Amino acid sequence: AQSVTQLDSQVPVFEEAPVELRCNYSSSVSVYLFWYVQYPNQGLQLLLKYLSGSTLVKGINGFEAEFNKSQTSFHLRKPSVHISDTAEYFCAVSPAYNAGNNRKLIWGLGTSLAVNP
Amino acid sequence: EAGVAQSPRYKIIEKRQSVAFWCNPISGHATLYWYQQILGQGPKLLIQFQNNGVVDDSQLPKDRFSAERLKGVDSTLKIQPAKLEDSAVYLCASSLPPGGQFFGPGTRLTVL
Repeated sequence: AQSVTQLDSQVPVFEEAPVELRCNYSSSVSVYLFWYVQYPNQGLQLLLKYLSGSTLVKGINGFEAEFNKSQTSFHLRKPSVHISDTAEYFCAVSPAYNAGNNRKLIWGLGTSLAVNP
Repeated sequence: EAGVAQSPRYKIIEKRQSVAFWCNPISGHATLYWYQQILGQGPKLLIQFQNNGVVDDSQLPKDRFSAERLKGVDSTLKIQPAKLEDSAVYLCASSLPPGGQFFGPGTRLTVL
């Protein structure tokens, strides 16, 4: 079984400052890793994903994440945030094997990013 | 490419009434998911379809919730009868493994 821990429930930051949203996971099998963003009153949007290959993954809106297998982490970073980045961010994992087409996503509880002017 | 479509966007009903939500996934995506997201929480998977077959419905409250995907394309989620605790956003997603799930805008349900 897999589990996901987002270490910060809320992250306040000033505009143009760098930000890191932390995500740790636990799994006995290889996993795929995802970050999703949810803007107020909207659905979830895929920011980036790690399936295989390079451990540094670049996503949309200037975000990137690094897969660290030894530390079982997948932290999300952005070098300079904008007011428009204010949203809820969710980390999720799924098993990398295909067990009967069930690649169920296991979700973290979310991190609320508040970008202040 | 059109995204995942959901309707309605908002619904207000009284407890014990029935409600239905509709979802049309991205064309070609065989896997469809329904999630419940209560305010301040992450999404909770209710049911997963592969084409028109159910892969996982372990967290679907089957005494009041039902879902179908008869032709392997669009899907309907129904609640009958609704309870106050069903107030949430109901999200539909589709996927083409292993690339991740793509979500619709959701339906915000308020049960009074």
